[in-house]
Amino acid sequence: GENVEQHPSTLSVQEGDSAVIKCTYSDSASNYFPWYKQELGKRPQLIIDIRSNVGEKKDQRIAVTLNKTAKHFSLHITETQPEDSAVYFCAALPNQAGTALIFGKGTTLSVSS
Amino acid sequence: DTAVSQTPKYLVTQMGNDKSIKCEQNLGHDTMYWYKQDSKKFLKIMFSYNNKELIINETVPNRFSPKSPDKAHLNLHINSLELGDSAVYFCASSQVLGTGYGYTFGSGTRLTVV
Repeated sequence: GENVEQHPSTLSVQEGDSAVIKCTYSDSASNYFPWYKQELGKRPQLIIDIRSNVGEKKDQRIAVTLNKTAKHFSLHITETQPEDSAVYFCAALPNQAGTALIFGKGTTLSVSS
Repeated sequence: DTAVSQTPKYLVTQMGNDKSIKCEQNLGHDTMYWYKQDSKKFLKIMFSYNNKELIINETVPNRFSPKSPDKAHLNLHINSLELGDSAVYFCASSQVLGTGYGYTFGSGTRLTVV
């Protein structure tokens, strides 16, 4: 089955710096790659997603890139702010019947002012 | 209106007890899921139901039994609770199985077994 690896597990940056989180997946048939942000004690919330027919997607300060050949995708956050501090999860959806999102182990991002 | 709601939000119980967690979605989605988030924050799929039919049953002890009375509800019943069952359990739903469209999580149930 699908396996998603996520790095780094923790990331500390200064306010205004950029942050990059990387994920790799094992199933070349996976076709949907969302990113979730989870604040302390809250539910995971979708912040951006990308499908396998797209290489890059941007939404204000966040962007996601996908390299299907290498089977990896990355989250880029520019001009980080303290409110970006949270746990970020990447996920992959295998392209087969009856599947669910498979998550990476998460990255704890700390943005200090 | 909360899109995916879970009750209770917190559950503290003794080892050996049986407990249930309820989940309801008002999004009109076809598919519902249960995820377990352990103390290391790892989100692991447990079950998924599509239109009341069990689709995914990951390697979960058979003490865990999901029940879907209709496509808007997916409950989780746990028998003979163990210390290792302590975790946050998230319900989620999505529009159509296998597309990822509209994947939405509930607010979670923090289960503590003492």
